[in-house]
Order: sequence, then C-alpha cells, then structure tokens
Amino acid sequence: AQTVTQSQPEMSVQEAETVTLSCTYDTSESDYYLFWYKQPPSRQMILVIRQEAYKQQNATENRFSVNFQKAAKSFSLKISDSQLGDAAMYFCAYRLTGANSKLTFGKGITLSVRP
Amino acid sequence: GAGVSQTPSNKVTEKGKYVELRCDPISGHTALYWYRQSLGQGPEFLIYFQGTGAADDSGLPNDRFFAVRPEGSVSTLKIQRTERGDSAVYLCASSPTGESDTQYFGPGTRLTVL
Repeated sequence: AQTVTQSQPEMSVQEAETVTLSCTYDTSESDYYLFWYKQPPSRQMILVIRQEAYKQQNATENRFSVNFQKAAKSFSLKISDSQLGDAAMYFCAYRLTGANSKLTFGKGITLSVRP
Repeated sequence: GAGVSQTPSNKVTEKGKYVELRCDPISGHTALYWYRQSLGQGPEFLIYFQGTGAADDSGLPNDRFFAVRPEGSVSTLKIQRTERGDSAVYLCASSPTGESDTQYFGPGTRLTVL
C-alpha cells in the first residue's frame, strides 16, 4: 500500500521569505503522480503543483516549485516570496497513473505567514 | 465555468439518523470521487465513480455508507444510522476522465453527529 508522510505539523515563515515543506512517500510502483494541495479555512482543496514521476525536471508554478527526488521518495514544496494569502493547510498527495487513481494524502502541514 | 458544488455546507444530525450529502461535479466530468476528512487529518478515499457505476468502493468504512450516481452527473452519499465517529468533512472531487487527470474539489460538507 502507498503511504504519504508529512512529519512537520506546523511551519511559519516571514512574509517575502522562502519556506520549504517536506513530504516523503512509499510505493513500489514506478509510474505515478505527486501533488501539493492547499486548503484554506474555506475547506476547498486547491491544486498548487503536480509532478509526473517519469519526468526528471522539477515542476514549477510561479512562486511554487518542487524538489522531486525519486530514489529517495521525497517531494518537497518550496514557496518563494511568501505572501499572507499563502497561509493555509498544505497536503502532499500521491496517485497512480491510469484509471481509478484515487489520491492518497498525507496528514498535512499548517503554514502561517508572519507580516 | 462552475466548479464542484456540495450541499449542504454544514449538516448537524443526531446519532442514529439518516443523512444524504450531495455533490454536483463539473459539467462533463465522468469521474467523481468522495473523500472523508477527519479533524487534523488528510482526506481519505471513500468511493470512485466512472459514469454511473462505482468503479471502486473499497474505502467505504462499513455497510452504513452508500453512494449513488444514477445519471452519471450528480452523486449522493448516504449514511444510515449515523454515529458520532462519522463526524467529519466529506469532500467530493471530479475529473474529466479519471485517467491521469487532476481532481477538482468541492468545498465539502461538514457533518456533525451529536
């Protein structure tokens, strides 16, 4: 079974600074996807970034980038130039490729941004 | 276009009662997922629909939980004889085909069982 581990329950960052959120996962599969989702108090899960395991290049979306280390099964999220609106719960998630690819989530991390 | 919507936003019920939670996916999305998020946890998979059929219901915790999607669009999650442990946020997500697609989530229904 696949598992996703987020060992840091909380993190804090100063506005305009950079923060890195950690995630590790366990799988015996070689072809899969990894995601970071943001969940503000409104509860709506918002996709932040997605990484295909077959791609060596790390995904980037504006201020958000990942460090994907397939051999180490590590998938961290870097947020640059942190903004107050980045404060939320962040979840790392895994899914297999193909049909019926349910998401497996970590426990999440609460990110606070200090003005 | 409209995103995934869920009703009600909040539901309070008493132990032993029956509840229905509704999900309206993004128009045209054939894949629909239900997840349950307990306090302080990440969402956990419950059931996946491809069209009208439940392709994977392995996450349903017991036979008190049931879900339908009769016309391949709206889905209803039904919980019989609710227990206090059923209290959680129930999230619905949809994706265009289910294969290698991003899942788009609704705002969830917070269920409280007293």
